[in-house]
Amino acid sequence: DGGITQSPKYLFRKEGQNVTLSCEQNLNHDAMYWYRQDPGQGLRLIYYSQIVNDFQKGDIAEGYSVSREKKESFPLTVTSAQKNPTAFYLCASSIFGQGRTEAFFGQGTRLTVV
Amino acid sequence: DAKTTQPTSMDCAEGRAANLPCNHSTISGNEYVYWYRQIHSQGPQYIIHGLKNNETNEMASLIITEDRKSSTLILPHATLRDTAVYYCIVRANNYGQNFVFGPGTRLSVLP
Repeated sequence: DGGITQSPKYLFRKEGQNVTLSCEQNLNHDAMYWYRQDPGQGLRLIYYSQIVNDFQKGDIAEGYSVSREKKESFPLTVTSAQKNPTAFYLCASSIFGQGRTEAFFGQGTRLTVV
Repeated sequence: DAKTTQPTSMDCAEGRAANLPCNHSTISGNEYVYWYRQIHSQGPQYIIHGLKNNETNEMASLIITEDRKSSTLILPHATLRDTAVYYCIVRANNYGQNFVFGPGTRLSVLP
């Protein structure tokens, strides 16, 4: 089945450590996105990538980094510089232009700093 | 910032139609209206989208006003499983355009 996969579903990190969240899609989508969601809040855009080897900061990029070396993969690293990293992280992908242009979302990774 | 405004919450009786409004008064001619919903602790689920014509699929109907400044998502026979947060988003299908989520409408379907 085609889709977008995030792993792991739950992640625990010690304060001061970097951690990388995985996002893979087999939908042949050009664009990929990372969002953060805090309890009771909407989704906020962290980073997005419209094409391989290119990405742009979203509204809350500080303390995060990404790479886009392959079309299928868009990993997110939460660095020790992120002051409040405990949150629900969602990855999405989409095409632009014609056709099925909606964004498809993964099931999320819940990160907890302990 | 989100280009849409939605009520914070709504209730609907099970089996009745749920009508969720969305205002997007600054929408551009090439921007589509998308609707998603999010059930607690899951990724958002795509429902429907449209440009200017009304749209219907197996999940819902989307009614867009003639001036395109507002729209309504209709769930024709709401069930308890439709309880979720519903997001209305406007977006052009061009390179560089993102999906910007506002706080959405929390729909509670009551038995």
